[in-house]
Amino acid sequence: DVKVTQSSRYLVKRTGEKVFLECVQDMDHENMFWYRQDPGLGLRLIYFSYDVKMKEKGDIPEGYSVSREKKERFSLILESASTNQTSMYLCASSQTGANQPQHFGDGTRLSIL
Amino acid sequence: RKEVEQDPGPFNVPEGATVAFNCTYSNSASQSFFWYRQDCRKEPKLLMSVYSSGNEDGRFTAQLNRASQYISLLIRDSKLSDSATYLCVVNVPGGSYIPTFGRGTSLIVHP
Repeated sequence: DVKVTQSSRYLVKRTGEKVFLECVQDMDHENMFWYRQDPGLGLRLIYFSYDVKMKEKGDIPEGYSVSREKKERFSLILESASTNQTSMYLCASSQTGANQPQHFGDGTRLSIL
Repeated sequence: RKEVEQDPGPFNVPEGATVAFNCTYSNSASQSFFWYRQDCRKEPKLLMSVYSSGNEDGRFTAQLNRASQYISLLIRDSKLSDSATYLCVVNVPGGSYIPTFGRGTSLIVHP
């Protein structure tokens, strides 16, 4: 079974802090994604990556950056956390190809105070 | 117009009922389609892929209508444990394939 592991289930940080969310997958998937999910808004794509050192902006990249130095790891960085970044963050991975589904981590519930 | 649209519900049905959800998509070049299930405060989990000829997995049947650009999910003999949010996902071409999610349809199955 595919395993996507996010570093924290719950995280509390302060406004202005630099926050790192880590995601690791163990199935040698090429593609990795970061989403945030808020009530009534569904899943919104922040950034994605199709290969090591590659990154593409999703629908809401502002205030975020990402890093993919190794194939199995995709990090999301909040450069200067703000209260409107309080959300559930979900990481996903998939194999290359149109018919490949995504596999999700458990999610990180991040609160910015 | 959002690329993938779903009726948010909630659909409130008794145990044993049959319930169906639709999901419409706007990009006619979309290649692949999926239904995910998401329980409260949990991550989405793949329920089933949707194939052109339609496919069935136990009590669940998925259909694709390319001409009208929608997919559907039918649940027969609903169980209490089917209560969840059902997310429609469409892989939209764009360089590579970008998974695009609907906002989900909430299902509540009551005794």
